[in-house]
Amino acid sequence: DIQMTQSPSSLSASVGDRVTITCRASQSISSYLNWYQQKPGKAPKLLIYTASSLQSGVPSRFSGSGSGTDFTLTISSLQPEDFATYYCQQSYSSPKYTFGQGTKLEIK
Amino acid sequence: EVQLVESGGGLVKPGGSLRLSCAASGFTFSTWSMNWVRQAPGKGLEWVSSISSSSSYIYYADSLKGRFTISRDNAKNSLYLQMNSLRAEDTAVYYCARDNNSGYYMDVWGKGTTVTVSS
Repeated sequence: DIQMTQSPSSLSASVGDRVTITCRASQSISSYLNWYQQKPGKAPKLLIYTASSLQSGVPSRFSGSGSGTDFTLTISSLQPEDFATYYCQQSYSSPKYTFGQGTKLEIK
Repeated sequence: EVQLVESGGGLVKPGGSLRLSCAASGFTFSTWSMNWVRQAPGKGLEWVSSISSSSSYIYYADSLKGRFTISRDNAKNSLYLQMNSLRAEDTAVYYCARDNNSGYYMDVWGKGTTVTVSS
């Protein structure tokens, strides 16, 4: 099974900061990597698919990059509504998906 | 509006059974693969099962060990998850999610239904 490891597990930042979250796969997954945002009590929301494609309606301050085993999600300028938990997900072994453990982004 | 609405969750004793439903609207349900994903309290997301548009291909997480069965009724625009031999560790919010067939990602999610397994 493909394992996904996110870092950090939690992160404190301020409005306006640039934030980067990383995700590492246990084997090469090409660009089959997606990012989701989840707010407390809500369903996950797709942000980025196939490593760098922005889902329709998602603000352009979100971006993704990487291929192979190492990926990043970047938020260029944090907004108050961005404080949430972020999950990466590999789809290389689709439909047997695997998620990372999550990164909780908190207000400093 | 594209929408998924789960139902059927509740409190069940260990060893019991439960059937979850997911009603789809706003899109041509019969042409999309679908998934169940769960989230235990305070934990991360775990993919549970997937079913192709015509039910020809079905997949489960290895951890389920044959206790769950996914199905769909395209005439009723509905997805189901039959859960048997439930354990405390199956306690979670269960989400249904649409699978974007061309891109290998889940682009539409329901709000979830809560399953609690406890005596």
